[in-house]
Amino acid sequence: AQKITQTQPGMFVQEKEAVTLDCTYDTSDQSYGLFWYKQPSSGEMIFLIYQGSYDEQNATEGRYSLNFQKARKSANLVISASQLGDSAMYFCAINFGNEKLTFGTGTRLTIIP
Amino acid sequence: KAGVTQTPRYLIKTRGQQVTLSCSPISGHRSVSWYQQTPGQGLQFLFEYFSETQRNKGNFPGRFSGRQFSNSRSEMNVSTLELGDSALYLCASSLAEGQTWNFGPGTRLTVL
Repeated sequence: AQKITQTQPGMFVQEKEAVTLDCTYDTSDQSYGLFWYKQPSSGEMIFLIYQGSYDEQNATEGRYSLNFQKARKSANLVISASQLGDSAMYFCAINFGNEKLTFGTGTRLTIIP
Repeated sequence: KAGVTQTPRYLIKTRGQQVTLSCSPISGHRSVSWYQQTPGQGLQFLFEYFSETQRNKGNFPGRFSGRQFSNSRSEMNVSTLELGDSALYLCASSLAEGQTWNFGPGTRLTVL
């Protein structure tokens, strides 16, 4: 069965520190896309970063980078120099077989001033 | 370019009623998908539409239905509402298969 695991239900991080949010998955598909979304308390799901399963270079978007280890089926999100505005829920999502998105359970990140 | 819009943003209904939620995708996006988010079940896939055709359907009862119009706008309908249908309903649009899904702000439905 295709499954996504986010093992950190909550994290507290000091402002300006880097933070890594874990995401592991289980699939036999060879082609899929890895996504990370941020959901503030307002509810809107904000796209952060994408990596295709065949991409060899780790994706980066500003302060966000995706640490993709295909053999380990791991796609961790790294946020550098965290800011107070980074406090939110973070979801790892995968479109297994390039179909619908399947989401993990999320990690609630709180940035402490 | 305007983002995905959803109307209404908030809705309160009573058990047994029906509800229709609307989603307007980003201009040029032909794929629309719907998700239900609850504290207990997390984010669950409802439907996906492409060019007015339902391409994929999640594991929800027949009370949940949807459609897509020729202008790519989509609606979802829930009939005979139950308390457990209280949730945030998120709509997303995508330019093409395998591309990024852009989400709307959601419709928060409360069933009393």
